[in-house]
Amino acid sequence: QLHLLESGPGLVKPSETLSLTCTVSGDSINSNFYYWGWIRQPPGKGLEWIGSVFYNGNTYNNPSLKSRVVMSVDTSTNRFFLTLSSVTAADTAMYYCAKIPLYCGGGNCYHFDQWGQGAQVTVSS
Amino acid sequence: QSALTQPASVSGSPGQSVTISCTGNNNYVGSYNLVSWYQQHPGKAPKLIISEVTKRPSGVSNRFSGSKSGNTASLTISGLQAEDEAHYYCCSYAGTSTVVFGGGTKLTVL
Repeated sequence: QLHLLESGPGLVKPSETLSLTCTVSGDSINSNFYYWGWIRQPPGKGLEWIGSVFYNGNTYNNPSLKSRVVMSVDTSTNRFFLTLSSVTAADTAMYYCAKIPLYCGGGNCYHFDQWGQGAQVTVSS
Repeated sequence: QSALTQPASVSGSPGQSVTISCTGNNNYVGSYNLVSWYQQHPGKAPKLIISEVTKRPSGVSNRFSGSKSGNTASLTISGLQAEDEAHYYCCSYAGTSTVVFGGGTKLTVL
C-alpha cells in the first residue's frame, strides 16, 4: 500500500527558504497513474493548495504563491520536494503531501486520495 | 477569503441528516464536475470522502453523499454518528490545472 511521509526542519527563520521532502513508499513515484501535490494548513485555519508536480517535473502552482514556490521530483529516490522562499510568519503551517490520481472519467483528476501525516513548519527568529 | 464558501459550522443530533454547502464565486463548481470533499478530525490529516461531486472512495461509509446544483456543491451526511464530528472541506478544480479549497465547516454532533 502506498504511503507518503513528509520531512523537513520544523523551524525556519524569516526571509529564509523552507525545504520539505515527501518520501513515497509502496509504489513508484514514476507512475503514469498518479501525480503529486502539496497542501498546507495554518494553525486553526483551513486548507490551502500549494501546487502539484508530475513525475516528469511539470508543475502547477497556486498563483498566490507562484513566485516563491519550486517543486521537483527525484525518481531515483522516490521522493518529491517543495521549497518556499522568503518565508514569513504567515507561512507557519502544517504542510501535507498527497497523491492525486491522474485520470478520472476521461479527463484529469484534481482530488487528493492519499495524504501524508503532515510536517509542522514554524517560521520564527 | 476562500474562492469556495462554506458555512463555518453546522450541527445535528445522532441519527439525523445534515447538509454542508460549498458555493463557488467564480463558477468553478458550476463549470466542472471536479468537486471533492475531505473529512479532518483534530490532529489528523484530511481524508477524501467524495470525489468528482458524487463518487465515494472504497471504504467510505454510504452515509456520505455528494451532489451539485448550479454553482453549489453539497455534502450530505445521513444517520449522524458521534464519529462524524470533524471539519469538512470542499475542493474544486479552478481551471489551468489549479484547485481551490473552501474555508471548511465544523460539524458538531449534539
